[in-house]
Amino acid sequence: GENVEQHPSTLSVQEGDSAVIKCTYSDSASNYFPWYKQELGKRPQLIIDIRSNVGEKKDQRIAVTLNKTAKHFSLHITETQPEDSAVYFCAASKERSNYQLIWGAGTKLIIKP
Amino acid sequence: DADVTQTPRNRITKTGKRIMLECSQTKGHDRMYWYRQDPGLGLQLIYYSFDVKDINKGEISDGYSVSRQAQAKFSLSLESAIPNQTALYFCATSDSAGAHYNEQFFGPGTRLTVL
Repeated sequence: GENVEQHPSTLSVQEGDSAVIKCTYSDSASNYFPWYKQELGKRPQLIIDIRSNVGEKKDQRIAVTLNKTAKHFSLHITETQPEDSAVYFCAASKERSNYQLIWGAGTKLIIKP
Repeated sequence: DADVTQTPRNRITKTGKRIMLECSQTKGHDRMYWYRQDPGLGLQLIYYSFDVKDINKGEISDGYSVSRQAQAKFSLSLESAIPNQTALYFCATSDSAGAHYNEQFFGPGTRLTVL
């Protein structure tokens, strides 16, 4: 079955710098890749997603890139701010499995003032 | 505000007890999910339901059962709770017909402790 690995488990960056979180997946049939943000004590919320027919997607300070050949995708956050501190989860899914999400283990992002 | 709610928010119980966690949604979504979250392990799918008559096992269904009483309600039961079921449990919903049909909306979570 599908396996999603996420790195790093913890990332500490200076406020204003960029942060990059990487995920790899095993099933080449996977075609939908969302990123969720979970603030401390809160519920996960979708922040951005990408489908396999697109290589990159941006939404203000966040972007996601997808390399289907290498089976990895990354979340990029530019000009980090204190409110970006959270745990970020990647996931992968495919139409054949009714888009059941297989989740990465999460990355705790710490923004240092 | 259309939302996903969970009751109780916190529960402490003893080994061997039966416990039910409840999830309700006012989003009008047809799909509902139960996840378990453990530190460092991300989210694991326990059960999911695509409509009232459709129930499916997820990755870690052993020791759990579910009931979809109505489109808006999805309950998770632990028939005989054990300590390694101590975790944060999330309910989630999604809309198969909406423009954002893949997006899952989560409830606030239920923190369960089994002593």
